[in-house]
Amino acid sequence: EIVLTQSPGTLSLSPGERATLSCRASQSVSSSYLAWYQQKPGQAPRLLIYGASSRATGIPDRFSGSGSGTDFTLTISRLEPEDFAVYYCQLYGSSPGTFGQGTKVEI
Amino acid sequence: QVQLQESGPGLVKPSQTLSLTCTVSDGSFSTYYWSWLRQPPGKGLEWIANIHYSGNTNYNPSLKSRVTISIDTSKNQYSLKLSSVTGADTAVYYCARGSGYFLYWGQGTLVTVSS
Repeated sequence: EIVLTQSPGTLSLSPGERATLSCRASQSVSSSYLAWYQQKPGQAPRLLIYGASSRATGIPDRFSGSGSGTDFTLTISRLEPEDFAVYYCQLYGSSPGTFGQGTKVEI
Repeated sequence: QVQLQESGPGLVKPSQTLSLTCTVSDGSFSTYYWSWLRQPPGKGLEWIANIHYSGNTNYNPSLKSRVTISIDTSKNQYSLKLSSVTGADTAVYYCARGSGYFLYWGQGTLVTVSS
């Protein structure tokens, strides 16, 4: 089973700053099958990115995904107050689909 | 608008079977796979299983021996049964549409395993 490791565990930033979140796979994966989610307390996860770099419907363009092989990145170009949350990466396309442990973006 | 709603007991005794149902409002119920995921308090997400309208199923190997997923196409519902539960099964359980990435999710339901 492929393990996804996210870093850092917590990212302390201010509104307007750029956030760079990392997701590393334990072995090379197809970039077609990497997704990112945002989760706020008490809410279900919200799909942000699929296929490593495609934004889901309605997701602002300040969110972008990139990467290939074993290293993937979610970038939030300018943090808005509503962006402070936990972010998860997910590998799909093979069973079982696995999630990273999450990165908390806090003020 | 696609909507999913989980329902079922919020408290299950150890060694018993957890049972949840997801009711789906989606004109494309027959098109997609439908999944169950869970999230222990303060922890990350785990995919449990999925099922297609046709009845085809997939299970997380780590839970496969204890999990049954089923579908009722007449009611646009699918269900999860998890047997022999322990405290480690305490989690928010989500239903979601898809077999890969998950665009639509239910709000989640907390199931606590305790005597």
